[in-house]
Amino acid sequence: AQTVTQSQPEMSVQEAETVTLSCTYDTSESDYYLFWYKQPPSRQMILVIRQEAYKQQNATENRFSVNFQKAAKSFSLKISDSQLGDAAMYFCAYRRHKLISGATNKLIFGTGTLLAVQP
Amino acid sequence: DAGVIQSPRHEVTEMGQEVTLRCKPISGHDYLFWYRQTMMRGLELLIYFNNNVPIDDSGMPEDRFSAKMPNASFSTLKIQPSEPRDSAVYFCASTLLAGVGNEQFFGPGTRLTVL
Repeated sequence: AQTVTQSQPEMSVQEAETVTLSCTYDTSESDYYLFWYKQPPSRQMILVIRQEAYKQQNATENRFSVNFQKAAKSFSLKISDSQLGDAAMYFCAYRRHKLISGATNKLIFGTGTLLAVQP
Repeated sequence: DAGVIQSPRHEVTEMGQEVTLRCKPISGHDYLFWYRQTMMRGLELLIYFNNNVPIDDSGMPEDRFSAKMPNASFSTLKIQPSEPRDSAVYFCASTLLAGVGNEQFFGPGTRLTVL
């Protein structure tokens, strides 16, 4: 069974600084997606960034980037130029690559990292 | 598009009462997921549907929980009878099989409190 581990329950960063959130996972599959979701106090789950396992290039979305190490099964999120609005719970998640009609296609989440941004 | 819509946003009920949570997925999406979020267990999948058919309900905690999807634009999650340990935030999410990255779009969640 696939598992996702986030070993940092809480992190703190100064505004404008850079922070890296860690995520490791375990799977026997070779093709899958990895995601980072942000959950602010409003509770809304917001997709931050997505990485396809077969792509070697690390995904980037503006100030958010990942360091994807497939062999090590590591998927960290780097937030550059941190802003107060980045304060939230961040969840790492795993899913098989392609949705297959009728098969299990669930997102498997880590336990989350609560990020505080200090002004 | 209005996104995934859930109602109610907050529900407070007494132990033993029936609770019904509602979800309207994004129009055209063919997958619908129900998740539960608690401090103890984090985010866990309860059940999901493909084209209105339940595919995997292995996450449904017990017989007190049931979910239906009578049509492509509506789903319910029912708890009967409710217990205090059911207190959680319940999320509905939808996605499209052919969509880019098959991103799951989440609703705002329903915070359920069972007294």
